[in-house]
Amino acid sequence: NAGVTQTPKFQVLKTGQSMTLQCAQDMNHNSMYWYRQDPGMGLRLIYYSASEGTTDKGEVPNGYNVSRLNKREFSLRLESAAPSQTSVYFCASSGREGGNQPQHFGDGTRLSIL
Amino acid sequence: QKEVEQDPGPLSVPEGAIVSLNCTYSNSAFQYFMWYRQYSRKGPELLMYTYSSGNKEDGRFTAQVDKSSKYISLFIRDSQPSDSATYLCAMSDTKYNRLAFGKGNQVVVIP
Repeated sequence: NAGVTQTPKFQVLKTGQSMTLQCAQDMNHNSMYWYRQDPGMGLRLIYYSASEGTTDKGEVPNGYNVSRLNKREFSLRLESAAPSQTSVYFCASSGREGGNQPQHFGDGTRLSIL
Repeated sequence: QKEVEQDPGPLSVPEGAIVSLNCTYSNSAFQYFMWYRQYSRKGPELLMYTYSSGNKEDGRFTAQVDKSSKYISLFIRDSQPSDSATYLCAMSDTKYNRLAFGKGNQVVVIP
């Protein structure tokens, strides 16, 4: 059971380049999330998708866009990467739209921007 | 004031000791409380999930919630070197499934 799968695992970009981080879950979950994790800052929510076809901003959405491609997949795009976006990015999913279900995380994408 | 406060540590204990971790929070609407364990270079893994006040036990792990004090705790009995990880508390209210996380507490269990 793969759970939440993120690709790539590592990436180095130059300032101004663009890239898309991919996330897929095989648990038939409705809700999906993108977080970034920085030393001393904890996990911060970038964007989330409560259900297929909807997306909403989280705590730190500037510089990012998302696409909920279908129920399984939720991608995060950096249009013009900046060094401040160097971080570890985690995707998560949970079972129910609204309500409360624990979130399950992937193993992250480590992104460095030079 | 951040919604969730968690002392980042690090906390070093000898093998077999009891590890005690805690978080405080400010939002009285929080009803669901979680502890995640995160190993180095891995994603957070759900460890404990509780609703409202009270205790929950799972093997060597016990989670406590005191809503009157806005305080949650995680206890690890008979700690093992494999328990060395960062532990994050998280919580949410009844309406939205958006989690508020603590910054994480690094635990090192010394053999």
